[in-house]
Amino acid sequence: DTAVSQTPKYLVTQMGNDKSIKCEQNLGHDTMYWYKQDSKKFLKIMFSYNNKELIINETVPNRFSPKSPDKAHLNLHINSLELGDSAVYFCASSPKGGSGNTIYFGEGSWLTVV
Amino acid sequence: DAKTTQPNSMESNEEEPVHLPCNHSTISGTDYIHWYRQLPSQGPEYVIHGLTSNVNNRMASLAIAEDRKSSTLILHRATLRDAAVYYCILRRQGAQKLVFGQGTRLTINP
Repeated sequence: DTAVSQTPKYLVTQMGNDKSIKCEQNLGHDTMYWYKQDSKKFLKIMFSYNNKELIINETVPNRFSPKSPDKAHLNLHINSLELGDSAVYFCASSPKGGSGNTIYFGEGSWLTVV
Repeated sequence: DAKTTQPNSMESNEEEPVHLPCNHSTISGTDYIHWYRQLPSQGPEYVIHGLTSNVNNRMASLAIAEDRKSSTLILHRATLRDAAVYYCILRRQGAQKLVFGQGTRLTINP
């Protein structure tokens, strides 16, 4: 059973399109995250939700809008895609946002904007 | 977030121990030391974490210096599957997120 699952795994789309990446966790965790890994392989946090409530919103363009319909799901919607949005997007979850708690990552969604 | 310094890359041989160093001279008393690794084309996965004392689990051991300004992740017997980027991360007590640095790319030779 996949603990943190993301769909789609691969996505190729044109500039200007709107796309969504879905994420679900079956671990019963309260906290979910979106991380972005760019072409230089740096992993940066984008958003964090705790029980459907936005906790962290790093400096991310307004074109990126996370949505958490329930605590097991955190979807990422991206409007007006740009070339620079090409990256791997990782969803993650943890029991709570505490320093001792393990964060579990999904396998990533490879987004290519052409 | 306090910063960590790791070598960009390291190489070792299969079935030998590997010692991955991490410097964190500005660590504060409430910072936990976490290690995650990222296998090729996968998401990061948790390896181990500790605060002051050395820690062991089925994957690895974590040796923490007495002054906590450095730590070492020890893989006791490396396999090809251990080839990955290893991240040493300081996470303050109560912190919601992990802040990743550059990590160490570990290559394992057969």
